[in-house]
Amino acid sequence: SQELEQSPQSLIVQEGKNLTINCTSSKTLYGLYWYKQKYGEGLIFLMMLQKGGEEKSHEKITAKLDEKKQQSSLHITASQPSHAGTYLCGAENNNAGNMLTFGGGTRLMVKP
Amino acid sequence: GAVVSQHPSRVICKSGTSVKIECRSLDFQATTMFWYRQFPKQSLMLMATSNEGSKATYEQGVEKDKFLINHASLTLSTLTVTSAHPEDSSFYICSASHGTVGNTIYFGEGSWLTVV
Repeated sequence: SQELEQSPQSLIVQEGKNLTINCTSSKTLYGLYWYKQKYGEGLIFLMMLQKGGEEKSHEKITAKLDEKKQQSSLHITASQPSHAGTYLCGAENNNAGNMLTFGGGTRLMVKP
Repeated sequence: GAVVSQHPSRVICKSGTSVKIECRSLDFQATTMFWYRQFPKQSLMLMATSNEGSKATYEQGVEKDKFLINHASLTLSTLTVTSAHPEDSSFYICSASHGTVGNTIYFGEGSWLTVV
């Protein structure tokens, strides 16, 4: 079965600083999703990556999938308190129809 | 706005009773929905795949007789926790997608279940 490892597990940054969260897979990634979750709430879809070398951006968040499709990174530029929450990467199983295996999550705190 | 909606968002039930959680896809039909469980400060664990018009597929270790799943229509899947016990208290969340692999997967708002 596919396993996803996220690092770091938690992160505290000063407002305005940049940060990177990594997601490493034990197998080739066919679809890699990034979500944000506030405690006790649903998952907010951020981005989905499929192609090796793909990079997507939304506002101050950029996600990349490496050429070998086994690692993805999420980069936040000039972090704000609104970025605080838990970031989850989820991997889609090849041809298994939209079920996701999730990493352990990265809890981000942004100090004003 | 929400693409996948869950109800109720919070529910408290007594031990031994059953409780039903609904997951609806809004504005699209979903032949497959997924149910996840999340314990505090942990990640999401897939419980089962809900298939419209057929039996659900359960992950290893998930009791199908305890967690009954019904996907009676293309926009609604329900999860019923039967004979609930305090250890069933958790955050339950569903997901759905417009289509197959490669389409955006949306999650519901989640449902907090507390069994007292």
